[in-house]
Amino acid sequence: GENVEQHPSTLSVQEGDSAVIKCTYSDSASNYFPWYKQELGKRPQLIIDIRSNVGEKKDQRIAVTLNKTAKHFSLHITETQPEDSAVYFCAASMRTGANNLFFGTGTRLTVIP
Amino acid sequence: DGGITQSPKYLFRKEGQNVTLSCEQNLNHDAMYWYRQDPGQGLRLIYYSQIVNDFQKGDIAEGYSVSREKKESFPLTVTSAQKNPTAFYLCASSMEGLSAEKLFFGSGTQLSVL
Repeated sequence: GENVEQHPSTLSVQEGDSAVIKCTYSDSASNYFPWYKQELGKRPQLIIDIRSNVGEKKDQRIAVTLNKTAKHFSLHITETQPEDSAVYFCAASMRTGANNLFFGTGTRLTVIP
Repeated sequence: DGGITQSPKYLFRKEGQNVTLSCEQNLNHDAMYWYRQDPGQGLRLIYYSQIVNDFQKGDIAEGYSVSREKKESFPLTVTSAQKNPTAFYLCASSMEGLSAEKLFFGSGTQLSVL
């Protein structure tokens, strides 16, 4: 099955700096890559997703890049703010029609004011 | 919290006891999912359902059971066969019935063993 690895497990940045979280996946058939944000004590929420037919997607301060050849994708947060502090999970889906997302182990991001 | 509701927020299970976690959604979503979250690990799929009266096992279904008698409801029973049930359980739903895209999660139930 699919194996998703996520790094780093913890990340601290100064407010205003950028944060980058990286994930690798094992199955070249994976074609859908979402990122979820889980604030302390709250539910995970989808913040951005990308399909394998594009290499990059942006939404305001958040961007995701995908390298299909190397089988890795990354989340980039620019101009970080304290409210960005949370655990971020990447995930991969093996194929359209599959009802399973394979999640990474999460990255705890702390933005220091 | 509207959309998808899980209850209770905290649940304690005694040895040999079955317990049921509730999940209700009013989003008119076809697909519903149960995930287990352990500290330091990613979410793992227990069961999912694409339509009423149908459900499929996920990666860690042993010791769990589900039903989908109504579109809005997808309860999860943690049976006595689940030897390590302590975890945070998340229910999710998706408009996309055929794929786990754009999941909308509930607030979760923390299950602990007495």
